Amino acid sequence: DTGVSQDPRHKITKRGQNVTFRCDPISEHNRLYWYRQTLGQGPEFLTYFQNEAQLEKSRLLSDRFSAERPKGSFSTLEIQRTEQGDSAMYLCASSPPGPPGNTIYFGEGSWLTVV
Amino acid sequence: KQEVTQIPAALSVPEGENLVLNCSFTDSAIYNLQWFRQDPGKGLTSLLLIQSSQREQTSGRLNASLDKSSGRSTLYIAASQPGDSATYLCAVRAGSNYQLIWGAGTKLIIKP
Repeated sequence: DTGVSQDPRHKITKRGQNVTFRCDPISEHNRLYWYRQTLGQGPEFLTYFQNEAQLEKSRLLSDRFSAERPKGSFSTLEIQRTEQGDSAMYLCASSPPGPPGNTIYFGEGSWLTVV
Repeated sequence: KQEVTQIPAALSVPEGENLVLNCSFTDSAIYNLQWFRQDPGKGLTSLLLIQSSQREQTSGRLNASLDKSSGRSTLYIAASQPGDSATYLCAVRAGSNYQLIWGAGTKLIIKP
C-alpha cells in the first residue's frame, strides 16, 4: 500500500504527558501537511512542509506543539504537556511536487484522547 | 478572512434519489476547491478537485460545480446508494498558500 500512513492510530494519555505522532507520506510526495480535527468540525491547518523545510505554521500551533521532517520523508508531530483541549484527530496529508492545485492525500488520522 | 460554510449540516434521503450538497465561501479569490468524503472515525478521501478556471468536474455519479463569482460550489450525487452515507466536506485553497480552509461538512445518510 502506498498511501499516507499514520502511527499510532489511537493514543490515550494523561494530562501533562508528551505525545508524538508519526506520518509517512506517499513516496515521492515532497509536500506534507498536518491538520487537526475535532468532532463535527472541518480540519484546521497546523503546519506545512516542503521537503524538510517547514514553510507554514498556523497561529493555532502553540509553543507546546512542534513538528519536524528531518530528511524530507517522514514527519513527527509532538505535543508537550498535553491538555484536555488537545483531544482531537490529528491528520497528516501529502501532495506531489508541482503547483498548489494538486490533489492532497490524507492518512487515516491519529486519535488523541487526553484524560 | 476566508470562511467556508456548508448547508445543510445533515441530510437524510431515501436510496435512489438525486441530491445536491452546498458549499459557500466568502472570498472569491480561490486557487481551487476540493470535495472530500469522510467515513466515521476515518481520514479524508478526495472526491473531486476543481481549479479556479474550471466550472465543473465529474467522476462517476458525482458532479461538482464551481461559481467563483457567487462564492458557491455544489456536489451533485446521482442515484444515491446506502454506501454513499458519509460526511462530505469542501475545502478551498486561497492563492499560492498551501493551506486548505474547510467547511464543517454535511453528514449524509442514505436510507435503504
